[in-house]
Amino acid sequence: KAGVTQTPRYLIKTRGQQVTLSCSPISGHRSVSWYQQTPGQGLQFLFEYFSETQRNKGNFPGRFSGRQFSNSRSEMNVSTLELGDSALYLCASSLVGTGGNEKLFFGSGTQLSVL
Amino acid sequence: AQKVTQAQTEISVVEKEDVTLDCVYETRDTTYYLFWYKQPPSGELVFLIRRNSFDEQNEISGRYSWNFQKSTSSFNFTITASQVVDSAVYFCALTRGGNTGNQFYFGTGTSLTVIP
Repeated sequence: KAGVTQTPRYLIKTRGQQVTLSCSPISGHRSVSWYQQTPGQGLQFLFEYFSETQRNKGNFPGRFSGRQFSNSRSEMNVSTLELGDSALYLCASSLVGTGGNEKLFFGSGTQLSVL
Repeated sequence: AQKVTQAQTEISVVEKEDVTLDCVYETRDTTYYLFWYKQPPSGELVFLIRRNSFDEQNEISGRYSWNFQKSTSSFNFTITASQVVDSAVYFCALTRGGNTGNQFYFGTGTSLTVIP
């Protein structure tokens, strides 16, 4: 069974640009979450999608957005990039994502560098 | 509010030594879940263990063991006879029970280096 796949693996952008990251969850998983990982802040929750609907959202500005497609694949978009957006963006999937007891399966992440 | 604290930022041990990674959590929920994940240099977080708030039994899995104590709000992780392959960043995390979705609250991680 294939794991969580994130593309691209590395990305270099300049300030002001926008970027779209992609995530394919494990087959059969319907919940997809996104996390931002930085050395200073650690792992911070961005948002979670289930059945194409955003179910939870973290404390990030509106420049960060996402969506989920009918096949559970998800994309996240960051507009008007800032230097502080440089981070490892991790996608995680789980079966249904309710009850809090489901473990997350993570992808290897997209390393975004903003110059 | 939910919070997870991993006070140890970096730990170095010599191979075959035992090492304990500390995790302290805060929540007012009665139902919650605690997790440990390992992040090797490849970046992908790997699940190690899950424990619910009603199960305080300690668990041992090979060289790994976990000590959950509600009285001190701690969920510590011990590696016995450490190996170089154990070198990674380890994260403790908390989720809420009920129909609250699947948001994980992570600690800031402990970077473990095992020196051969």
